[in-house]
Amino acid sequence: DSGVTQTPKHLITATGQRVTLRCSPRSGDLSVYWYQQSLDQGLQFLIQYYNGEERAKGNILERFSAQQFPDLHSELNLSSLELGDSALYFCASSPTPSVNEQFFGPGTRLTVL
Amino acid sequence: GQNIDQPTEMTATEGAIVQINCTYQTSGFNGLFWYQQHAGEAPTFLSYNVLDGLEEKGRFSSFLSRSKGYSYLLLKELQMKDSASYLCAVSDSGAGSYQLTFGKGTKLSVIP
Repeated sequence: DSGVTQTPKHLITATGQRVTLRCSPRSGDLSVYWYQQSLDQGLQFLIQYYNGEERAKGNILERFSAQQFPDLHSELNLSSLELGDSALYFCASSPTPSVNEQFFGPGTRLTVL
Repeated sequence: GQNIDQPTEMTATEGAIVQINCTYQTSGFNGLFWYQQHAGEAPTFLSYNVLDGLEEKGRFSSFLSRSKGYSYLLLKELQMKDSASYLCAVSDSGAGSYQLTFGKGTKLSVIP
C-alpha cells in the first residue's frame, strides 16, 4: 500500500458524459501527478500539481482538466468522453516536485461504452 | 522530446537470471527509474540510478551508462511472482519541474 488513495476503483459511463476522478496523496506529499495507461500505450503523463498550483503539463487533452485543492487532494475531470478514453488512470504523489520517486495509487479503471 | 525503448516481452525460467534492457534519449537527464507493474495494479518502485554504475538491491540490480543512454534491470533467482511488466522511466528536468517519461514496459513471463 503506497498511501495514495484513488476513487472510484471502477467507472463505467457512456460516450459524451463527464466524470471526475479523485486522488488523495500520501500524507506530507505536496506534489500530485496524473497518468493515463491504455492497452496499447505506456503510462502517459497528463499533468502535475504542486501545493495547489499547476506545475507541468503533458499530453493532456483539452477535454480533460484537473485541480489540486487546499487539502492537497486532486481531481481529474474528463468531459465529452470518447471510446478511446477508456483506460486506467493513475495518480501518483511525491513530497516535492524535485523528488523523483513517485508513489502510485491503485488507479481508476474507466470504461466508456 | 524523449524516446525510451525496451523489449516488449521476455520469457525466463524460474531460478534463472534475466536482464531487461532500456535505451533512452533525453535532453535534461535527471535519473532513471525502474518500476514493476503487475497486471491491473499500480506501478511500484524498484530502483533509481542517477550516476553511472550498478545499484544492487537484493535479487534486483540496475545499471546505468549515461554516455550510452543505456540501462538494464537484472533479476536473479527468478520466482513465479516476478511475472509482471517492468517499466523503464527517465526523469527529465525541463521547464523547472521533474517529469517521468515511461517506456511501454517489458512483459516478463517466468515459467517453471
